[in-house]
Amino acid sequence: DAMVIQNPRYQVTQFGKPVTLSCSQTLNHNVMYWYQQKSSQAPKLLFHYYDKDFNNEADTPDNFQSRRPNTSFCFLDIRSPGLGDAAMYLCATVLDRGNTEAFFGQGTRLTVV
Amino acid sequence: AQSVTQLDSQVPVFEEAPVELRCNYSSSVSVYLFWYVQYPNQGLQLLLKYLSGSTLVKGINGFEAEFNKSQTSFHLRKPSVHISDTAEYFCAVRVTGGGNKLTFGTGTQLKVEL
Repeated sequence: DAMVIQNPRYQVTQFGKPVTLSCSQTLNHNVMYWYQQKSSQAPKLLFHYYDKDFNNEADTPDNFQSRRPNTSFCFLDIRSPGLGDAAMYLCATVLDRGNTEAFFGQGTRLTVV
Repeated sequence: AQSVTQLDSQVPVFEEAPVELRCNYSSSVSVYLFWYVQYPNQGLQLLLKYLSGSTLVKGINGFEAEFNKSQTSFHLRKPSVHISDTAEYFCAVRVTGGGNKLTFGTGTQLKVEL
């Protein structure tokens, strides 16, 4: 029944070693988001895709990239993870512009060692 | 730009007692309002939402919230909490009429004690 699936749930990576987080959805939603949530903080939007159009937030570091090869999948790439990138990463989807409800995945907890 | 303020970072409450989690927002345009719940190491689950119409909205797990436009508030309430309600609660806003950016408050940790 899971609709937005994030893999893996827990990821440990080494300082400076590229890492990719995955999100897939079975809802056929047009919009997909990546949020970063640090401990005891609100989720912070990194970027989103509307279909194939990529929308980066102004304050998202260049170290964070994203790919959406098709409607169902979206990836978050961290090129050179630093200790400050340790966080929960949340993927969410919305059916379309103007549609209101966002569906979230379970998140990936990233640890940088 | 819109913003959300959750004044209480933590709210302790005894089981079966009522609770109110406060949320105020700021926006120059009309907004949709949401409450999400997050259990440890989990994603966010929608509790309820206000889009239009009746200002009192009911959600899952016995929660309700009231939209007050004059006070720009959207407080979350439950008349009798259960241990299983212990979680982080986030208020969020999104502008109407296009755009899809959800702006979250900093969250309120609800801790229900026996």
